[in-house]
Amino acid sequence: ETGVTQSPTHLIKTRGQQVTLRCSSQSGHNTVSWYQQALGQGPQFIFQYYREEENGRGNFPPRFSGLQFPNYSSELNVNALELDDSALYLCASSASNQETQYFGPGTRLLVL
Amino acid sequence: GESVGLHLPTLSVQEGDNSIINCAYSNSASDYFIWYKQESGKGPQFIIDIRSNMDKRQGQRVTVLLNKTVKHLSLQIAATQPGDSAVYFCAENLAGGSYIPTFGRGTSLIVHP
Repeated sequence: ETGVTQSPTHLIKTRGQQVTLRCSSQSGHNTVSWYQQALGQGPQFIFQYYREEENGRGNFPPRFSGLQFPNYSSELNVNALELDDSALYLCASSASNQETQYFGPGTRLLVL
Repeated sequence: GESVGLHLPTLSVQEGDNSIINCAYSNSASDYFIWYKQESGKGPQFIIDIRSNMDKRQGQRVTVLLNKTVKHLSLQIAATQPGDSAVYFCAENLAGGSYIPTFGRGTSLIVHP
């Protein structure tokens, strides 16, 4: 059984650029959630996708958007990057109607 | 708004000691609680969970206690090992919600050999 994987592992962008982060869910999981984790803080919920539809959204602006594909993998897109977007971006997957989420290793984004 | 929080940001223990990490939650509508362990450079790893209809749940070397009266959650680690050094997060899920956990800030556990 393959766990949650994310790519890339690290990324450096400049302010105003756009970024796409990718996530492959654990085998058998159809729900993917994205989180932003600033240094020294707990993960903050961005949004969740279930069967290719957004299934909940946290307090993040519209420039944070996402997609889920038929194979349940997912993308997080961030437009017009700001310095405060520098963080670890975590993807977590879970099975239908299961509350336990399993996290990937994260993508560390640095915005200069 | 309501939130999940931790009493101690850092806990230092000696190898072999028992560790207790505490968490206070304020949302009485939460019915499911999870402890995660996050090692440096890695994503959070599920440790143990508990539902609100339980007071205690045991795993391998770990025990979670839930006190709904005072809205308090604790994680006990027996015979703490250097490999237990990490940041520990408690998270809560609202009853009837869409399975989106709310995380607290975390406690850093440092185990000295």
